[in-house]
Amino acid sequence: EAGVAQSPRYKIIEKRQSVAFWCNPISGHATLYWYQQILGQGPKLLIQFQNNGVVDDSQLPKDRFSAERLKGVDSTLKIQPAKLEDSAVYLCASSLAPQGPGYTFGSGTRLTVV
Amino acid sequence: DAKTTQPNSMESNEEEPVHLPCNHSTISGTDYIHWYRQLPSQGPEYVIHGLTSNVNNRMASLAIAEDRKSSTLILHRATLRDAAVYYCILRDSGGSNYKLTFGKGTLLTVNP
Repeated sequence: EAGVAQSPRYKIIEKRQSVAFWCNPISGHATLYWYQQILGQGPKLLIQFQNNGVVDDSQLPKDRFSAERLKGVDSTLKIQPAKLEDSAVYLCASSLAPQGPGYTFGSGTRLTVV
Repeated sequence: DAKTTQPNSMESNEEEPVHLPCNHSTISGTDYIHWYRQLPSQGPEYVIHGLTSNVNNRMASLAIAEDRKSSTLILHRATLRDAAVYYCILRDSGGSNYKLTFGKGTLLTVNP
């Protein structure tokens, strides 16, 4: 089966600019997650969707980050305006259901804010 | 979320077994023990999970202590491709969103 697709693979922007990341989960996977991974740390959950509804966005900095999953399939994560500390890898994952058993992750988008 | 403790790094030789420890003294009865690994420049990859009994799959084995306060991921014959960061995660099966919370994990180096 095809994996979780993410694009772009790399992105470099200046601070205060905006950026968007795209994720296409595995077909049929109802649950989708966005994680942020800063260099040297484990991934941190930003937002979890169940179909097109938000289940958990408690760690999403809502003043600058937004995410949507229209039609319950692919998803976009946006940052506007970006800060230097947003430099990280943004990972998308999906699972059949919230209880898993396992998530499938994409390869991520590496964002550098200069 | 219940916390886990793992060594920051471990080293192994190719074709030898590797035992990666994880302590989780505050584990609750509904917590599953999950292991993921992350190869360089890739997203995390599911390895194995268990609740009480030891588990085996094609990638690894999971040995769970009788009191469930610790577990060990076993790679039976390490290869260079097993060099990665290994994460031990507790996942509450009794909660409402079952989210995975990652720590810093153990960086495994495999020497040829």
